[in-house]
This record gives sequence, C-alpha cells and structure tokens, in this order.
Amino acid sequence: GQQVMQIPQYQHVQEGEDFTTYCNSSTTLSNIQWYKQRPGGHPVFLIQLVKSGEVKKQKRLTFQFGEAKKNSSLHITATQTTDVGTYFCAGLRGGNTGKLIFGQGTTLQVKP
Amino acid sequence: DAGVIQSPRHEVTEMGQEVTLRCKPISGHDYLFWYRQTMMRGLELLIYFNNNVPIDDSGMPEDRFSAKMPNASFSTLKIQPSEPRDSAVYFCASSFGSGAGETQYFGPGTRLLVL
Repeated sequence: GQQVMQIPQYQHVQEGEDFTTYCNSSTTLSNIQWYKQRPGGHPVFLIQLVKSGEVKKQKRLTFQFGEAKKNSSLHITATQTTDVGTYFCAGLRGGNTGKLIFGQGTTLQVKP
Repeated sequence: DAGVIQSPRHEVTEMGQEVTLRCKPISGHDYLFWYRQTMMRGLELLIYFNNNVPIDDSGMPEDRFSAKMPNASFSTLKIQPSEPRDSAVYFCASSFGSGAGETQYFGPGTRLLVL
C-alpha cells in the first residue's frame, strides 16, 4: 500500500542551529500537510502544500513540495526551545476521499 | 468553537474489560477520523466516516474494535474485550469539505492503559 516515509526519526540540535525533516511518498500525492505535536499533546495543523514545487514560509519554518509531488521537506531556521516536538507530514493521493497517510514523524529536541 | 472533544481523557482498565471512547467533532464538520498512536507504530488511521457513514475501516486491527457514528455530533470507538497491546493514545479528528485534503483538527486524545 501507499507509504509516506519520514527521516530522520529523531534529531537533537543546539538552540540556534537549523533543522530539516524530509518526507517521501511511494506514489504521487495531490497535496501534503504538515502537523506538529508537542510532547503530551495532539497533532496540530501547520500548513498544506498543493502545487508542484510549491514553497511556503511561516516565520522561521520553510515548507517545500517536490516537483514530482512525491516528496516534501520542512526546514526550521535557528531553532528555539519552543520548536520541540514531533513533526508529521501527511499525504493525500489524487482522487482520495479524505484519507491522509501520515509519516512516522520526526522528533526534534532542542538543547538550550 | 470548543474544538474536537474526547472523553475520557485517561482510561485505565483490566484486560478483558470493555472500553468505550467518545468523540464530539467540531460542529459542521462532515468527516470524522479515529487514530491510534503508539511509540512502535506511530500514528495509525483506524477508521473514518463521512456524513456519519463509515468509508474506510481497513485500519481497524481486529474484530474486537468497532466504531459507530449515530449522528453528526457523536462517535464512539469500542474495544471488547480489551488487551494490554491496545494500550495507546486514541485520537479523534474531524474535518470539513470535499475531503480532498482538508485540514484535520485533532482532539486531545484518550490515553488508554490496559493492565
């Protein structure tokens, strides 16, 4: 079946360093969403990318959708301790009726 | 809006007991999703409904699990009988729209521990 793979699984960075997580799908996606889950919390929607090659920014976060619409990345510039959590990508196949396929998530730890 | 509401927030039960998890989606949302999250398996979609009708239950682990949505504002996920391997955080999420990738709003989750 369709899979969405995320790497790395864990990342420890020093505060101020950059961080990137990558998401790859075995099939072409109609769109991709990113969610953040704080420790002990629930996933919270961050952004959705729809167009091939799309790039969106939210302050220090930059999201990219690959040209082939099979991969995506989230880059955080100058991490802060508030960035701690698990970041999930979730993809939707074309023609699908709403079922998102979530990646395994990347857990980010930031050392102050 | 209060967001997606789940109850109970925590549940501790003994193996063999029936467990019922409840969810109230955001008013007006027409999709409802049940997920299970564990360290080993990550976030798994169990079942989802559209307009109260189950669309895809391929993620339901086995016959011990059942889900219902009797109306647009209420859904249950039942485990009978429960087993220790069912221990996990169960999330309910809802969304609105055509289903073509609409944002999903997650509830706070029910943390289930089966002893």
